[in-house]
Amino acid sequence: NAGVTQTPKFRVLKTGQSMTLLCAQDMNHEYMYWYRQDPGMGLRLIHYSVGEGTTAKGEVPDGYNVSRLKKQNFLLGLESAAPSQTSVYFCASSYPSEAFFGQGTRLTVV
Amino acid sequence: AQSVTQPDIHITVSEGASLELRCNYSYGATPYLFWYVQSPGQGLQLLLKYFSGDTLVQGIKGFEAEFKRSQSSFNLRKPSVHWSDAAEYFCAHSNDMRFGAGTRLTVKP
Repeated sequence: NAGVTQTPKFRVLKTGQSMTLLCAQDMNHEYMYWYRQDPGMGLRLIHYSVGEGTTAKGEVPDGYNVSRLKKQNFLLGLESAAPSQTSVYFCASSYPSEAFFGQGTRLTVV
Repeated sequence: AQSVTQPDIHITVSEGASLELRCNYSYGATPYLFWYVQSPGQGLQLLLKYFSGDTLVQGIKGFEAEFKRSQSSFNLRKPSVHWSDAAEYFCAHSNDMRFGAGTRLTVKP
């Protein structure tokens, strides 16, 4: 029972590079979320999805794009990474009851 | 704007002392509320949740929380803190799964 799986777990990017973070859940949850966590800032919602094919902006969406082509997957893209996007990224899914979290992706942009 | 507020950024308590962490929300509809805990370098673990019914909910690790609609609060409590409770605690609301900024708990020996 994998729950919510994020890949990769660590990544270092150069400024201007692009990358995609993958979140996969095997609980058949409708809702999925992407957060970033920075010291003293708590968890801030980047984008979320309430079902396959739908996405919506959260609190801090600028610089990120998302896609939910399959119910079980929620992708977070950075088209042109900036040092301000250095953070720990968490994915979560819910039914919507409580959210279940992945273990996080630590991204450093240099 | 809809929000979840945790007024205390950092709390220090002695081991064995009681604990209360505050959470306030500003949503209009009946809320679903949660408390999560995050140990250093780890993901988030659900402590407890409130959907409806009894306003005092019990969670794991001896934690409980009380929903007070009149005060728009959902405070987390524990009667006797253990050193292993040192972590960061987050309150969340299910409308759009927004989180408070978190409260970091330090436990003194």
